[in-house]
Amino acid sequence: EAAVTQSPRSKVAVTGGKVTLSCHQTNNHDYMYWYRQDTGHGLRLIHYSYVADSTEKGDIPDGYKASRPSQENFSLILELASLSQTAVYFCASSEQSTEVFFGKGTRLTVV
Amino acid sequence: GEQVEQRPPHLSVREGDSAVITCTYTDPNSYYFFWYKQEPGASLQLLMKVFSSTEINEGQGFTVLLNKKDKRLSLNLTAAHPGDSAAYFCAVSANYGNEKITFGAGTKLTIKP
Repeated sequence: EAAVTQSPRSKVAVTGGKVTLSCHQTNNHDYMYWYRQDTGHGLRLIHYSYVADSTEKGDIPDGYKASRPSQENFSLILELASLSQTAVYFCASSEQSTEVFFGKGTRLTVV
Repeated sequence: GEQVEQRPPHLSVREGDSAVITCTYTDPNSYYFFWYKQEPGASLQLLMKVFSSTEINEGQGFTVLLNKKDKRLSLNLTAAHPGDSAAYFCAVSANYGNEKITFGAGTKLTIKP
């Protein structure tokens, strides 16, 4: 079964600090995504990647960087965390534009 | 780029009643269409999918209809039960390379006893 694993599952970060969210997939998928979900709202795409060593900006990339060092791993980096980045973050993978498989999410609280 | 609008944002129906959630999209080249279900505090799970060549899919008490002419995708629940209470998201993608999947904003469905 397809598997997308996120770590950590929850994190409290201080304003101005650096945060790295990690994602690992065992699906052998080329595409990986980072989405943000705010309470009671939909998903917004932050960054995505369709090949290792390359990332693309999504709809809300400001304040975030992404890194895809290998097909299996995709990280989301907040260099200077801000209160407005408090949210649940979902990593996902897919085979090109077909079904997306989601991780269980990371709840990030910036204080 | 692709724009997906999902309506309504909130929907409350009584147990046993039907419910309809609709998404409209803009890219005429859209080919893959999905509905995801998210229960409170959980991740998104694929509920149903339909491809451009299919236009209809049924299962688990739901029917997905695709109207390519109107660029409209709908999720129809025939007889709601409490386990259907969740958030539902449509997702759309095209059939050419390197194209991201675009999600609707979601519908929070509540089933009342």
